[in-house]
Amino acid sequence: DTGVSQNPRHKITKRGQNVTFRCDPISEHNRLYWYRQTLGQGPEFLTYFQNEAQLEKSRLLSDRFSAERPKGSFSTLEIQRTEQGDSAMYLCASSLTGGSGYTFGSGTRLTVV
Amino acid sequence: QKEVEQNSGPLSVPEGAIASLNCTYSDRGSQSFFWYRQYSGKSPELIMFIYSNGDKEDGRFTAQLNKASQYVSLLIRDSQPSDSATYLCAVNMILTGGGNKLTFGTGTQLKVEL
Repeated sequence: DTGVSQNPRHKITKRGQNVTFRCDPISEHNRLYWYRQTLGQGPEFLTYFQNEAQLEKSRLLSDRFSAERPKGSFSTLEIQRTEQGDSAMYLCASSLTGGSGYTFGSGTRLTVV
Repeated sequence: QKEVEQNSGPLSVPEGAIASLNCTYSDRGSQSFFWYRQYSGKSPELIMFIYSNGDKEDGRFTAQLNKASQYVSLLIRDSQPSDSATYLCAVNMILTGGGNKLTFGTGTQLKVEL
């Protein structure tokens, strides 16, 4: 159990570019979540996977955002045509079926300039 | 009204004192509640969760839940400088397939002073 791993840790991109983040959950965890956290706020739910199925998406997840979890293992979160308002910490979490609470990864800090 | 409300602080307590962190929530149907600790620049770490009215203790931490008042609190006994962090309260909602969506407050910053 090496914890939830997220890459990259930091990403600086120019406005209008596309970015992709990766999350590797704890190996036996079948549920995977993406959250976004801006300065001074708590994390906000973006989306949830059970195995490879994306079962819930927040309205915060505009059509510029897409998430995948092929084969129910790692997940990617892509943001197309980035905007300055996308600057935030993107957090991935995983849990077991019936588990209580999340284990968050270290996050990917995105800065759009 | 925000779904989960916390006083942003900072809450300053002397070393060795009891720190009391409070949280209120708006959805009366909420069933489970979580406390996370977040150090500056780091990701949140789960401290404890509570489902039932009353107190739940884990080491120096005690979570208290009063569903009638829609109130959750976290007590930290014998506060240490290493407890200085932002404490996030979260309320759980069950999703399709049994997943869990956590709605977080904005957090309370705790400072433990020597």
